[in-house]
Amino acid sequence: EAEVAQSPRYKITEKSQAVAFWCDPISGHATLYWYRQILGQGPELLVQFQDESVVDDSQLPKDRFSAERLKGVDSTLKIQPAELGDSAMYLCASSLGPQLYEQYFGPGTRLTVT
Amino acid sequence: GDSVTQMEGPVTLSEEAFLTINCTYTATGYPSLFWYVQYPGEGLQLLLKATKADDKGSNKGFEATYRKETTSFHLEKGSVQVSDSAVYFCALQETSGSRLTFGEGTQLTVNP
Repeated sequence: EAEVAQSPRYKITEKSQAVAFWCDPISGHATLYWYRQILGQGPELLVQFQDESVVDDSQLPKDRFSAERLKGVDSTLKIQPAELGDSAMYLCASSLGPQLYEQYFGPGTRLTVT
Repeated sequence: GDSVTQMEGPVTLSEEAFLTINCTYTATGYPSLFWYVQYPGEGLQLLLKATKADDKGSNKGFEATYRKETTSFHLEKGSVQVSDSAVYFCALQETSGSRLTFGEGTQLTVNP
């Protein structure tokens, strides 16, 4: 069964350092999402791609976060510089298309900023 | 803005007990409603969904009915198993977008 892949699974970094996460969606899925899940809370959407284009980044802290999906397949989420409050689980999800299609989630990257 | 509120957890039950996890929502339109489950070390999985009022979603013995009049989507199961131990998230999706808005999650532990 096809799955969304994410790496690394765990990342520890010091504040002010740069960190990057990678996501490989299910093959053929045009829509890709990055969510952030703070411990004890539900996931919150950071950015949504349709193919290589960003369609929703209204909740992305653009002063320190960036995301790209250059060829419309895999995606990278970057934080620079990392802050203590960025400690969270970063989840990637993909779907065949926007809106009515089911979102499939990867296992996530657990980030700890010290 | 849109929001989802789940009952406070964690919830601890004995095997074969009846489960209810409450979920209420606030939305401007007529959203679709979902329950996702997250097992330890895994990503979120869609458990069930309902796209319009009075629809009942069901899967693996779990059920939830979309109640527009009470803006609720409570999750129920008649007889829980140890393998149902996980975190359960209620979520909504507005018809005009793709963003999922999640509740805070409810940790369920089922003891043998």
